[in-house]
Amino acid sequence: TQLLEQSPQFLSIQEGENLTVYCNSSSVFSSLQWYRQEPGEGPVLLVTVVTGGEVKKLKRLTFQFGDARKDSSLHITAAQPGDTGLYLCAGAPGVIGGYQKVTFGIGTKLQVIP
Amino acid sequence: DAMVIQNPRYQVTQFGKPVTLSCSQTLNHNVMYWYQQKSSQAPKLLFHYYDKDFNNEADTPDNFQSRRPNTSFCFLDIRSPGLGDAAMYLCATSNKGYEKLFFGSGTQLSVL
Repeated sequence: TQLLEQSPQFLSIQEGENLTVYCNSSSVFSSLQWYRQEPGEGPVLLVTVVTGGEVKKLKRLTFQFGDARKDSSLHITAAQPGDTGLYLCAGAPGVIGGYQKVTFGIGTKLQVIP
Repeated sequence: DAMVIQNPRYQVTQFGKPVTLSCSQTLNHNVMYWYQQKSSQAPKLLFHYYDKDFNNEADTPDNFQSRRPNTSFCFLDIRSPGLGDAAMYLCATSNKGYEKLFFGSGTQLSVL
């Protein structure tokens, strides 16, 4: 079983601050996905990173995939209350047999205080 | 908009009383998944359908069953819910050969 560890598990910051959350594994992944989940809702995909060392930006969010494709980070610049939620990373070994079996981390619960 | 719809959003059942959760999709995706997510835990895959082929995870209890009568619909049946089965149940889909998962809003199950 491929395990993903996320840190920190909880983060409470003031509006305007920067933050970084981490997703680490001892396994190599074909791709890694980041989701945001709001209370009472399903996860919504933010980004997929595929290539080792890849950096993707989504407005104030910057995602990086480690060179060895075992870890990833999410950096938020100037956090806003709308960024509040649970951030889940999910590692994918690749499409095997036609379907995708991802492994989820436990998530980082972010609270941005106005 | 094409999407994954789960009903109901909230379900309350009694200990031991069978319950069925439903999921429908307008994406025409081949694969449908059921995940269980307990509070402060990662979503855990229970099983998935690839077209009509059912794939059960090794550690999914026998108490959990699933049906997929057609491409659009998938059901999760819990035959005898226990208190430990209270959780958010998430349905997701993916298209053959693609890695992106599309999730529904989930059904929050409470067991009294």
